[in-house]
Amino acid sequence: AQKVTQAQTEISVVEKEDVTLDCVYETRDTTYYLFWYKQPPSGELVFLIRRNSFDEQNEISGRYSWNFQKSTSSFNFTITASQVVDSAVYFCALSEEDNAGNMLTFGGGTRLMVKP
Amino acid sequence: NAGVTQTPKFQVLKTGQSMTLQCAQDMNHEYMSWYRQDPGMGLRLIHYSVGAGITDQGEVPNGYNVSRSTTEDFPLRLLSAAPSQTSVYFCASNTGLFGTDTQYFGPGTRLTVL
Repeated sequence: AQKVTQAQTEISVVEKEDVTLDCVYETRDTTYYLFWYKQPPSGELVFLIRRNSFDEQNEISGRYSWNFQKSTSSFNFTITASQVVDSAVYFCALSEEDNAGNMLTFGGGTRLMVKP
Repeated sequence: NAGVTQTPKFQVLKTGQSMTLQCAQDMNHEYMSWYRQDPGMGLRLIHYSVGAGITDQGEVPNGYNVSRSTTEDFPLRLLSAAPSQTSVYFCASNTGLFGTDTQYFGPGTRLTVL
């Protein structure tokens, strides 16, 4: 069965610091997708990135970057020069090819607090 | 496009009452899902549907019913509410095309059962 672990339940940083959110996953499938979602204080879930199991290239989008390493089953998320607006709960999720409907398995989330 | 919409946004029920959480999407997505979010546990799948007339159970289906009579709508029914069902409920939809798919979530319904 699939599993996603976000060991950091809460992280607090000061604005402009870099911060990395860890995500470790378990799956028996060779084809799967990994996701990151952001949940700001307003409560909605905002899609950030999708990465498939065959693409281990790191991705950068502005201040956000993602490091996917199949060897360690990790898909870590780094925010560079954090801002107060980055304060949110961040979820890592996994979708396996065998799952009908591409159902998502979520980690428990990491609450990031960025202080001015 | 409105995307995925959910009503109501907030609801308070007494133990034993029944209610239906509404979910609709206007993206012509085949797949729709219901998740619940509890503190520290992320989101867990309740029920899902891969098309009109087809539904199946997720990880935590007990106490909930669903039906899918149209592509657009996927209501979640609580038959006899219990305090353990106090949670935030999210509906999601996606195309089901694995290679390019992303689940889009509604704004959520916060349910309290007293």
